[in-house]
Amino acid sequence: NAGVTQTPKFQVLKTGQSMTLQCAQDMNHEYMSWYRQDPGMGLRLIHYSVGAGITDQGEVPNGYNVSRSTTEDFPLRLLSAAPSQTSVYFCASTKTGGLPGLGYTFGSGTRLTVV
Amino acid sequence: DAKTTQPNSMESNEEEPVHLPCNHSTISGTDYIHWYRQLPSQGPEYVIHGLTSNVNNRMASLAIAEDRKSSTLILHRATLRDAAVYYCILLQRGSQGNLIFGKGTKLSVKP
Repeated sequence: NAGVTQTPKFQVLKTGQSMTLQCAQDMNHEYMSWYRQDPGMGLRLIHYSVGAGITDQGEVPNGYNVSRSTTEDFPLRLLSAAPSQTSVYFCASTKTGGLPGLGYTFGSGTRLTVV
Repeated sequence: DAKTTQPNSMESNEEEPVHLPCNHSTISGTDYIHWYRQLPSQGPEYVIHGLTSNVNNRMASLAIAEDRKSSTLILHRATLRDAAVYYCILLQRGSQGNLIFGKGTKLSVKP
């Protein structure tokens, strides 16, 4: 089925390790974004991209890096994992970010634990 | 960005209608009203959106006040599967398009 695919679903990291969370969509969406959700909280925006080659910071970008070399993929890199980055991470996409008459599609999430 | 206010939690009985309110008194003329829901252990799911007129789709209805300062998401017959956190979000035309989530309303459905 078409949609947003996130891998891995679960990950345990040691403090200081780096890793990349993958996000791919096959709907030809220009806009993609990453959120984190801590227990009992709403989602907070980390980074977003309005098209290939264009990225920008959201509300909580520190400790994370992104790039957008293709329309389909928007990986999120943790440079040096810290326990404060333990969270559930969601990727989202929509056709064009500046057209609010369209719905957004979310992935099923990556549950990350940093020990 | 214009903000929204929602009750922290609501309860409903199965097979009864549910009205989830959202206040957005500082809404601008170019803000769309979006609703998403998040089932337990899942990513958010698009429910419905509107600008000025009431909207219906297979999942729900959206009733928008005439002055647009409030809206109500209506689930016509709640099922156990509708138990989720419901988020009301304003999205401005011409913006980058970032969804800014509040804490939402946690809906519990009793059998």
